[in-house]
Amino acid sequence: QEQLQESGPGLVKPSETLSLNCNVSGYPISSGYYWGWIRQSPAKGLEWIGSLQYGGKTYYNPSLQSRITISVDKSRNQFSLKMTSVAAADTAIYYCARDSSWPHIPQGAFDLWGQGTMVTVSS
Amino acid sequence: HSVLTQPPSASGTPGQRITLSCAGSSSSIGVNGVNWYQQLPGTAPKLLITNNNRRPSGVPDRFSGSKSGLSASLTIGGLQSEDEAEYFCATWDDSLNGVIFGGGTKLTVL
Repeated sequence: QEQLQESGPGLVKPSETLSLNCNVSGYPISSGYYWGWIRQSPAKGLEWIGSLQYGGKTYYNPSLQSRITISVDKSRNQFSLKMTSVAAADTAIYYCARDSSWPHIPQGAFDLWGQGTMVTVSS
Repeated sequence: HSVLTQPPSASGTPGQRITLSCAGSSSSIGVNGVNWYQQLPGTAPKLLITNNNRRPSGVPDRFSGSKSGLSASLTIGGLQSEDEAEYFCATWDDSLNGVIFGGGTKLTVL
């Protein structure tokens, strides 16, 4: 059964780096699709962070691009998000998801989601 | 604020047909496919409609999507109590160069 599962710290201090992993099970991450991160907060609603295709292009939200890196580890069948210099505004539920728009440009057709992980930025 | 505009709320009675709207622009809905999601409280969004009008496997056929010009619509035929949820639209925006989401419509089944 295809599943995604996020992992990472629930609490991050302001100005530090947030690191999240998404474990993919039941589907090889190198076999197509885009793999992405989305976050959700009461203030901003659903916000796309970025998506990548294994061995291909990575797309980032322009408003976050300077602070984020999405990478993939084929050997572990997982992908990751790093966000630097976090602030209170980055407090949100973070989801990893699979975008079925591939091989076209990612259009936000996320057909498989993790359960989400709450990240709070606070000292 | 969202660049896809959805009315914040809608309501209907069981059995009713209801249509939710999503307004975009010439760089978003005007040129790219629209996707729709249903989100129940405390859960991740679920993909209902992809590329304007395609239903993924397992989505009931009472959910349908359409697009006209710079707007898209999600229609729920035969409203059921379990349809009470928040609904979001999403697409790619060529100007913003990214995936964008609507602000969501909270649907209440009276």
